[in-house]
Amino acid sequence: QSALTQPRSVSGSPGQSVTISCTGTSSDVGGYNYVSWYQQYPGKAPKLMIYDVSKRPSGVPDRFSGSKSGNTASLTISGLQAEDEADYYCNSYAGSYTFYVFGTGTKVTVL
Amino acid sequence: QVQLQESGPGLVKPSQTLSLTCTVSGGSISTDSYYWSWIRQPAGKGLEWIGRIYISGSTNYNPSLKSRVTILLDTSKNQFSLKLSSVTAADTAVYYCAREAVATEGRFDYWGQGTLVTVSS
Repeated sequence: QSALTQPRSVSGSPGQSVTISCTGTSSDVGGYNYVSWYQQYPGKAPKLMIYDVSKRPSGVPDRFSGSKSGNTASLTISGLQAEDEADYYCNSYAGSYTFYVFGTGTKVTVL
Repeated sequence: QVQLQESGPGLVKPSQTLSLTCTVSGGSISTDSYYWSWIRQPAGKGLEWIGRIYISGSTNYNPSLKSRVTILLDTSKNQFSLKLSSVTAADTAVYYCAREAVATEGRFDYWGQGTLVTVSS
């Protein structure tokens, strides 16, 4: 099972919006509404930001939103802030044989 | 507040078995609401799901690692463990333990800080 495809990097100025794509197949992203997103700072553990495509855990700012269309999921960060500069990984359930596939990761830079 | 903490040797020789333990505090591991998972990340690379265990003892493993992986639960110590056999340099990574909600798939809501394991002679 190949990793989900994410852009290597995206950038934006404070206050702007950025969107990170996560492209898979009908066997993972397109087949299930179980896409999650994780934020990771250098040397730190990942933090859950979005689950079930578009749900936010308690404590995650509503600037973070998730969506899905076909085989591609997206994470949008609105009102970009300096603290949002980090790596972001998507994850998708891929059935009861493979179970989970992570994305290749995207570095978000705040200009 | 649930906390997870990985522990184990930071250096393992090639062909040997990597053994790590995850100690859970602030909550019981003996719950039917969560899976207990292992995830790894080679330096500068992405995340890879290794496998998970449920309170019943039922396990699920990444097919690419299945032949070498064993995950066990020790409810008396509120711990779960990972064993990865026949390691090579490709198994060098930061290993994380994480909690996953049963109610949905892929909701890893609590993570340990991670522990670096290097495979080298």
